[in-house]
Amino acid sequence: GAVVSQHPSRVICKSGTSVKIECRSLDFQATTMFWYRQFPKQSLMLMATSNEGSKATYEQGVEKDKFLINHASLTLSTLTVTSAHPEDSSFYICSTLSTGNTEAFFGQGTRLTVV
Amino acid sequence: AQKVTQAQTEISVVEKEDVTLDCVYETRDTTYYLFWYKQPPSGELVFLIRRNSFDEQNEISGRYSWNFQKSTSSFNFTITASQVVDSAVYFCALSEAGDYKLSFGAGTTVTVRA
Repeated sequence: GAVVSQHPSRVICKSGTSVKIECRSLDFQATTMFWYRQFPKQSLMLMATSNEGSKATYEQGVEKDKFLINHASLTLSTLTVTSAHPEDSSFYICSTLSTGNTEAFFGQGTRLTVV
Repeated sequence: AQKVTQAQTEISVVEKEDVTLDCVYETRDTTYYLFWYKQPPSGELVFLIRRNSFDEQNEISGRYSWNFQKSTSSFNFTITASQVVDSAVYFCALSEAGDYKLSFGAGTTVTVRA
């Protein structure tokens, strides 16, 4: 079964609104969570790394004020796309590491469409 | 610089044919991990394999097999006797030691026709 639960799977929002995406680790503690973005027919690109209880680390070119990441507990990390625009439409997917860091588990992904 | 290169954008085969997906990686680390993931149309990523840099043994899992060659920095993936359900995008990824972030290749879209 899934070890990382991501919600929602699909969301359509109006331009200018904010959208929150949740990622929960099931049955284990996720100290670190990675957030990736995938544009249509493209690869996954790492956006940021969030560590429980501290500020997220953003990859070059990713606006931290636009993509707010909160990792307040060991089982929940959230990504909020603020003031969304059509160009933010993408597939967002979270990932965390198994105990011992031997495997990366991915959430089911969230397909965001901004209209 | 691109760390993972999947030169094949799309591959189309007829059912029961074998298909090999190429993956070439680049890293300065001596310890690293290589992965293959399958992404069906639903979008979720399905883990297929993880291999660390010290284990060059080839692996077979059912119809899937992997050929890891450090000398050529390649980690190729073969699907034997392909089936329609194998149709998906396949990603090769690299994680460097102490980092655990995944650098993905561009992906190869495999279409298996009945």
